[in-house]
Amino acid sequence: SQQGEEDPQALSIQEGENATMNCSYKTSINNLQWYRQNSGRGLVHLILIRSNEREKHSGRLRVTLDTSKKSSSLLITASRAADTASYFCATDAIRGSTLGRLYFGRGTQLTVWP
Amino acid sequence: ETGVTQTPRHLVMGMTNKKSLKCEQHLGHNAMYWYKQSAKKPLELMFVYNFKEQTENNSVPSRFSPECPNSSHLFLHLHTLQPEDSALYLCASSSGEAYTGELFFGEGSRLTVL
Repeated sequence: SQQGEEDPQALSIQEGENATMNCSYKTSINNLQWYRQNSGRGLVHLILIRSNEREKHSGRLRVTLDTSKKSSSLLITASRAADTASYFCATDAIRGSTLGRLYFGRGTQLTVWP
Repeated sequence: ETGVTQTPRHLVMGMTNKKSLKCEQHLGHNAMYWYKQSAKKPLELMFVYNFKEQTENNSVPSRFSPECPNSSHLFLHLHTLQPEDSALYLCASSSGEAYTGELFFGEGSRLTVL
């Protein structure tokens, strides 16, 4: 399967600490995205990194991509209780132009304690 | 507010009922998607529409019937569902001919089949 797999499944930290989540995938990709989902809500796009990029920043978020290892990491610095959510990586697949063929993992449940 | 609105947010139905989920996007996107999110499983792509034409049907049972009357509206008609169909159904939209960017998700419709 192409699906990205996040690691760890659950992460519990204190406010102010950094949170690191990892994603591994199996086949070549055009880009990799990270999404966030608050409990019972829709997914919200956080950041997209293309296969020719190695690192990208957005506010307190830092994403890295290692295509040789087929892995990505999402770092949230100085975490806040409001960062509590599930985080998903999503990869497309280089299979022609199959629209919308994004593969999501099962997610990492992040809990940030005040 | 992501610009993608789903109704109803919650739905309880019996196995013999017929109901519909509605999705509307106000973003001018040309592609719309239905995803199914079950507990502890990756997000499953169900259907993709591009410029009102169905481009993907991910082996979804016929008891789920999509309808896309225009680029802004997407329906999922439900009939004779099974209890295992209980899940969060997410609608999303995106722009562009081939997938290159982010998905914008609605808040989801939580379906319970009794």
